[in-house]
Amino acid sequence: GENVEQHPSTLSVQEGDSAVIKCTYSDSASNYFPWYKQELGKGPQLIIDIRSNVGEKKDQRIAVTLNKTAKHFSLHITETQPEDSAVYFCAATDPLGGGGGNKLTFGTGTQLKVEL
Amino acid sequence: DAGVIQSPRHEVTEMGQEVTLRCKPISGHDYLFWYRQTMMRGLELLIYFNNNVPIDDSGMPEDRFSAKMPNASFSTLKIQPSEPRDSAVYFCASRPSGGSYNEQFFGPGTRLTVL
Repeated sequence: GENVEQHPSTLSVQEGDSAVIKCTYSDSASNYFPWYKQELGKGPQLIIDIRSNVGEKKDQRIAVTLNKTAKHFSLHITETQPEDSAVYFCAATDPLGGGGGNKLTFGTGTQLKVEL
Repeated sequence: DAGVIQSPRHEVTEMGQEVTLRCKPISGHDYLFWYRQTMMRGLELLIYFNNNVPIDDSGMPEDRFSAKMPNASFSTLKIQPSEPRDSAVYFCASRPSGGSYNEQFFGPGTRLTVL
C-alpha cells in the first residue's frame, strides 16, 4: 500500500517568513495529493491539492509543487501570519488501489508555529 | 450549511463499556468516511460508505469495531467492548460524488477516552 512520509514534524518561523513542508510517497500510481490544515480542536480542512498532471499550483500565499519522478511534493507558505499556525497534513491516493481516490494515506503531520 | 456534525464531542468511558459515536454528513454528500487520529498512528481511515453501503472496511482494527449507515443523513461507529488503546479522536468526513478527487469535509471530531 501507499506510504507517505512528512518532514519536518515541527517548524517554527517568524511572521512574514516562508515555510516549506515536504512529503514523499511510495506508490508511483498515486496521482492526487491534497494538503489539509488542522487547527486545535477542529477537524482537518483542505487548503490546496494537486493532481499528477500538474507540476505546481498556487493559491494566494500557498503553493504546492509535485515531482512525480522523485515521488515527492511540497507545501510552500509565503508571508506567514500567526493564523497560519496549525498542524498541516499531506496525503496521497491512488485511484486504482481501491476506492477511486477515496482512500487517502496521510502523512504524520507538521506542527507549524508562526512567531510574532 | 452546518457542515459535518458529530456527537458527542467528548466521551469518557470505562474499559469494557460500549461506545457509540454519531455522525451527520453534509446534505447531498454520497460518501461518508470514519477516521481515527492518534499520536502514534496519525490519521487512519477506518471505513467508508457510498450511498449508505460500506465499500471498504479494511481499516477497521478488529471485530470490536462496527459501523452502520442506516440512511443518508446518519452514521454510527460502535466499539464494543472498549479498551484503553481505543482512546483517540474519531473523525467523520463526507464528500459529494461526481468526480474522482473531491474534497473530503471533516467534522469536529469526537475525543474518546477509555479508562
